[in-house]
Amino acid sequence: DAGVIQSPRHEVTEMGQEVTLRCKPISGHDYLFWYRQTMMRGLELLIYFNNNVPIDDSGMPEDRFSAKMPNASFSTLKIQPSEPRDSAVYFCASSFLDRTQETQYFGPGTRLLVL
Amino acid sequence: GENVEQHPSTLSVQEGDSAVIKCTYSDSASNYFPWYKQELGKRPQLIIDIRSNVGEKKDQRIAVTLNKTAKHFSLHITETQPEDSAVYFCARGTGRRALTFGSGTRLQVQP
Repeated sequence: DAGVIQSPRHEVTEMGQEVTLRCKPISGHDYLFWYRQTMMRGLELLIYFNNNVPIDDSGMPEDRFSAKMPNASFSTLKIQPSEPRDSAVYFCASSFLDRTQETQYFGPGTRLLVL
Repeated sequence: GENVEQHPSTLSVQEGDSAVIKCTYSDSASNYFPWYKQELGKRPQLIIDIRSNVGEKKDQRIAVTLNKTAKHFSLHITETQPEDSAVYFCARGTGRRALTFGSGTRLQVQP
């Protein structure tokens, strides 16, 4: 298994532009998580899905952020319009939650820089 | 509620010494406690975890201890090596919801 796959790995864009981050979870995993990591705020959970359904989006900063999971093997996190304060590393993680196992496996992350 | 407090935020040790990182939580329903290691520019990766029915777990040079009564758990690294230098995150879960992560500890092992 290739693990969690994210694209792009790096993104540089200008303020006001739309940014779309992509994630492919590990096959068979039924939970998918989006995190944002910055020096100031650490690792923040933005939203997570169970069986493609959003369960908790209370961590999404504001309406400029949206996430979708159209099927079990693909999710997107969109920022529109982007702002410099959105600059961060965005991680996607997946897991298979049951009574004995809830380890989250992280993707390599997308390093976003908004100028 | 579900917050996790992690200390210290930075830790510097000499190669060969031990390192200890502590986390406290408040949610009594917490029953799963993983530790992640994140090297510079890399993704967080699980290094060890423990469940609430176990008090201690060891894997070579790393160990985790859990005190459910006091609601705290610790990561112990013995015989530290330069390659142990990284940011370590504790986390807690209940088996039903997403993990809550601590703020991280930057460990520097001086050769």
